[in-house]
Amino acid sequence: EIVLTQSPATLSLSPGERATLSCGASQSVSSNFLAWYQQKPGLAPRLLIYDASTRATGIPDRFSGSGSGTDFTLTISRLEPEDFAVYYCQQYGSSSWTFGQGTKVEIK
Amino acid sequence: EVQLVESGGGLVQPGGSLRLSCAASGFTFSSYAMSWVRQAPGKGLEWVSAISGSGGSTYYADSVKGRFTISRDNSKNTLYLQMNSLGAEDTAVYYCAKLLGYCTSSSCRGAFDIWGQGTMVTVSS
Repeated sequence: EIVLTQSPATLSLSPGERATLSCGASQSVSSNFLAWYQQKPGLAPRLLIYDASTRATGIPDRFSGSGSGTDFTLTISRLEPEDFAVYYCQQYGSSSWTFGQGTKVEIK
Repeated sequence: EVQLVESGGGLVQPGGSLRLSCAASGFTFSSYAMSWVRQAPGKGLEWVSAISGSGGSTYYADSVKGRFTISRDNSKNTLYLQMNSLGAEDTAVYYCAKLLGYCTSSSCRGAFDIWGQGTMVTVSS
């Protein structure tokens, strides 16, 4: 099973700042099958990025994903008030799905 | 509108059983693999199980293998999760989710692009 480790656990930033979230895999993620989700309290997760760098439908272009192999990054270019939430990375190899433990982006 | 609506959660005693349902609408249900994902209170996301569009292939996390059974009724556009031998560690919000991906004859892969609102399962005496 591929283990995903996200860092940092918490990111304290102000609106307008740039957020950089990391996701490291215990082994190479095949074909960059990696996704990022946003979750707000009491709500279901929302898909932001899949295949490491493809934005999902309706996702603003301030969200971008990059990386390959074992190191992946989610970047939010300029934080909007609605972007403060928990973010999870997920790999989806062959019939197996694992999530990272999450990064909370909080208002500084 | 694409929508997933879970039901069937509740309070169950340790060792008991529960069946969750997920009603799908707004897309061709039988064309997509589906999955269940759970989230214990205050914790992160855990994949539980997945099933191909035809229902012919099923996949489970080790933590639930042998206790949970995923199934679907494409004539009713509904996904199910039968949960047996429940323990306190199964207490969580259970989400159903649609796969944005594909299945071959031997495997499924894809991110989860549509999620339901979740249904709470509490295992306690």
